[in-house]
Amino acid sequence: DIVMTQSPGSLAVSLGERATINCKSSQSILYSSNNKNYLAWYQQKPGQPPKLLIYWASTRESGVPDRFSGSGSGTDFTLTISSLQAEDVAVYYCQQYYSTPLGFGPGTKVDIK
Amino acid sequence: QVQLQESGPGLVKPSETLSLTCSVSGTSISSDYWSWVRQPPGKGLEWIGYIYHSGTISYNTSLKSRVTTSVDTSKNQFSLNLRSVTAADTAVYYCVKGGKEWLRTWGQGILVTVSS
Repeated sequence: DIVMTQSPGSLAVSLGERATINCKSSQSILYSSNNKNYLAWYQQKPGQPPKLLIYWASTRESGVPDRFSGSGSGTDFTLTISSLQAEDVAVYYCQQYYSTPLGFGPGTKVDIK
Repeated sequence: QVQLQESGPGLVKPSETLSLTCSVSGTSISSDYWSWVRQPPGKGLEWIGYIYHSGTISYNTSLKSRVTTSVDTSKNQFSLNLRSVTAADTAVYYCVKGGKEWLRTWGQGILVTVSS
């Protein structure tokens, strides 16, 4: 099974500042035949289901603000919130879909400093 | 607009079977893979498994021995059975559209507590 890890476990960022979340997979999730990274990012606010933000490591889901961006390849990935807004307070999860069982990272809690 | 709604008992006794149903609207159950994901209170997300209408299934290795899923195309629903539950199975259970790739559409979730 592919194990996903995230760092940091939590972070506090001032409004308007950049937030960076890291995700690492225990093996490469880059599929060589199509050169795509099988990684998604989700945002979960309290009492709500997760919301898909990004797939293929860097493709923003329709309707997601462009302050959210994803990058990385192979085993190391990053979610960046370029200018943190109050509504971005949430827990963020990465997820690999390269192979089953699908696996999620443990989550990163983002708060306002 | 695709919508999913979980239903089932909110309380299950230890050693019994947890049974949930997900009702799908806005699309055909035959259109995609369908997953179950759970989240213990205050903890992270765990994928339970997926099913396709043809009967193709995949389960998390950690739960494989206790899980069964099924699809009812006539009702546009899919279901989850988790046998021999313990307190560790207490969680919010989500039904989700997808399973081969990203998980785009989620139900609101149902809290199932395992307690006598």
